[in-house]
Amino acid sequence: AQSVTQPDIHITVSEGASLELRCNYSYGATPYLFWYVQSPGQGLQLLLKYFSGDTLVQGIKGFEAEFKRSQSSFNLRKPSVHWSDAAEYFCAVGTFTGGGNKLTFGTGTQLKVEL
Amino acid sequence: DGGITQSPKYLFRKEGQNVTLSCEQNLNHDAMYWYRQDPGQGLRLIYYSQIVNDFQKGDIAEGYSVSREKKESFPLTVTSAQKNPTAFYLCASSPGGRDTQYFGPGTRLTVL
Repeated sequence: AQSVTQPDIHITVSEGASLELRCNYSYGATPYLFWYVQSPGQGLQLLLKYFSGDTLVQGIKGFEAEFKRSQSSFNLRKPSVHWSDAAEYFCAVGTFTGGGNKLTFGTGTQLKVEL
Repeated sequence: DGGITQSPKYLFRKEGQNVTLSCEQNLNHDAMYWYRQDPGQGLRLIYYSQIVNDFQKGDIAEGYSVSREKKESFPLTVTSAQKNPTAFYLCASSPGGRDTQYFGPGTRLTVL
């Protein structure tokens, strides 16, 4: 069965500093990978996704992620964090079997930005 | 505006009562999903539907039921058999097949 691990429950960075959120997945086939962001009490917004092709994926709000098959990782990065980036971030792996499209999520990383 | 609506945003019920959460989308998406979110546990899939009049159990379907009579609607009923129903419930939809899921704003259910 597939699984996603986000090893950092909480991360605090200063505004303007760089950010990297870690995500490791376990899945036997080619993974379809996603990063979502959630503000308190809100739904999830898609940041970026990897289906195939270039392993460096660009997303919205200046975020990017790199797929590394050898490390089973899909880490999210941003070169300079803004205070508005404070939120919870979820990594997910998509599986598609028998016509069904299912997402398995990690437990999330809460990002705090210090001014 | 196209999107996914969930109502109400906050819902309170007494223990032992069934409650139905609404999810409507006007994106013309074929597939719809229900997730449950608890603090520190991420999102877990309850039920999903790829087409009208068809749905499948997810990882935590016990104590829940759904229907998909219309393409744009996928209501979730939390029954009295669900042992710990207090949670944040999120509905999502996707065009179908291998495509991105888009999420609604969620409903926070509190059972007293």
